[in-house]
Amino acid sequence: EAEVAQSPRYKITEKSQAVAFWCDPISGHATLYWYRQILGQGPELLVQFQDESVVDDSQLPKDRFSAERLKGVDSTLKIQPAELGDSAMYLCASKGQGAVNTEAFFGQGTRLTVV
Amino acid sequence: LAKTTQPISMDSYEGQEVNITCSHNNIATNDYITWYQQFPSQGPRFIIQGYKTKVTNEVASLFIPADRKSSTLSLPRVSLSDTAVYYCPPVSGGYNKLIFGAGTRLAVHP
Repeated sequence: EAEVAQSPRYKITEKSQAVAFWCDPISGHATLYWYRQILGQGPELLVQFQDESVVDDSQLPKDRFSAERLKGVDSTLKIQPAELGDSAMYLCASKGQGAVNTEAFFGQGTRLTVV
Repeated sequence: LAKTTQPISMDSYEGQEVNITCSHNNIATNDYITWYQQFPSQGPRFIIQGYKTKVTNEVASLFIPADRKSSTLSLPRVSLSDTAVYYCPPVSGGYNKLIFGAGTRLAVHP
């Protein structure tokens, strides 16, 4: 069964360092989402791509976060510099195009700890 | 996009039917209602979706009244493995925007 791949699974970084997460969506999925999930809370949408274009990044802290999806396939989310409050699970999801009634598939996530 | 409201937590026992209700404020005409399940340290997993009336699949049923301002996820005969957080994010018909609320923590007891 096709899966959304994320790496790394776990990342520990020091405050003020740069960190990057990678996501490979299910082949052919045009929509890609990045979420941040703090322990005990629901996933918060950071950025949504349609192919290579950003369609929503209203909740992305743009002073330190950036996201790209070159060629409309895999995607990278970067944080520079990392802050203690960035410690969270970062989830990537993808969704097929066409009719809206298609499910989103999530990866296993990257657990980030900033020390 | 519609904001959702759910109970923070629920408790049940093995073998019982569980109904989790979600309120959808300001749901738009072209929004679909979806439900996801999430286990600790995993990404959410799609359970079911619908637009109106009743939808049933192999794991759950979804009831949506005519005004579409709420929905109820029904889990028949729950087991310990159904202990998880359940979310009801609407999916906008425009750009497939998928916004999650706080979810409902379901605990199933022996």
